[in-house]
Amino acid sequence: DADVTQTPRNRITKTGKRIMLECSQTKGHDRMYWYRQDPGLGLRLIYYSFDVKDINKGEISDGYSVSRQAQAKFSLSLESAIPNQTALYFCATSESSGRVYNEQFFGPGTRLTVL
Amino acid sequence: QKEVEQDPGPLSVPEGAIVSLNCTYSNSAFQYFMWYRQYSRKGPELLMYTYSSGNKEDGRFTAQVDKSSKYISLFIRDSQPSDSATYLCAMKSSSGSARQLTFGSGTQLTVLP
Repeated sequence: DADVTQTPRNRITKTGKRIMLECSQTKGHDRMYWYRQDPGLGLRLIYYSFDVKDINKGEISDGYSVSRQAQAKFSLSLESAIPNQTALYFCATSESSGRVYNEQFFGPGTRLTVL
Repeated sequence: QKEVEQDPGPLSVPEGAIVSLNCTYSNSAFQYFMWYRQYSRKGPELLMYTYSSGNKEDGRFTAQVDKSSKYISLFIRDSQPSDSATYLCAMKSSSGSARQLTFGSGTQLTVLP
């Protein structure tokens, strides 16, 4: 079984709809992240959470919100989807070992299309 | 100007070729340098990780960091069709408040059999 899972894998929706993307992990990591990937722009951080009570905005948080329901679950919501939120969305996790850098483990991605 | 610049390619090479992938950056605070590999329809996975300047070798892969030039490279020797993927560089500063990775845009590599 995959360590980091994302649902749904693909979603097509219309402008103005509320969308939730879900991420679950079995790695036992404290830290979780949401990224979006666009052609030519690479991966950009939307939100990150270092534990259930610690949620932080990333580089491009406008138009998004998150919920950390448990150590293993981190959801990303688009309250009112717009076409420029069409992208590939990745969830990632990492340990909180005290090292400056901890490897991030990525899920398989959710391809979101907003019409 | 982006903090991290990466040639998007696409790059196409014959099997067995030596591949050089590169990134430049502008933030002199970056101390940690990573290369992630992303296969089609998959999430990125860590390939190499280096700290500060110097070289690191792992099998057919060598990562180089030149902090004086703000330039990092990934070399792939004896490239194989299975190396066909998008390669993303990523960087991080050592500041305790800087919790984020900054990624390049990725270079798409195809190794032809």
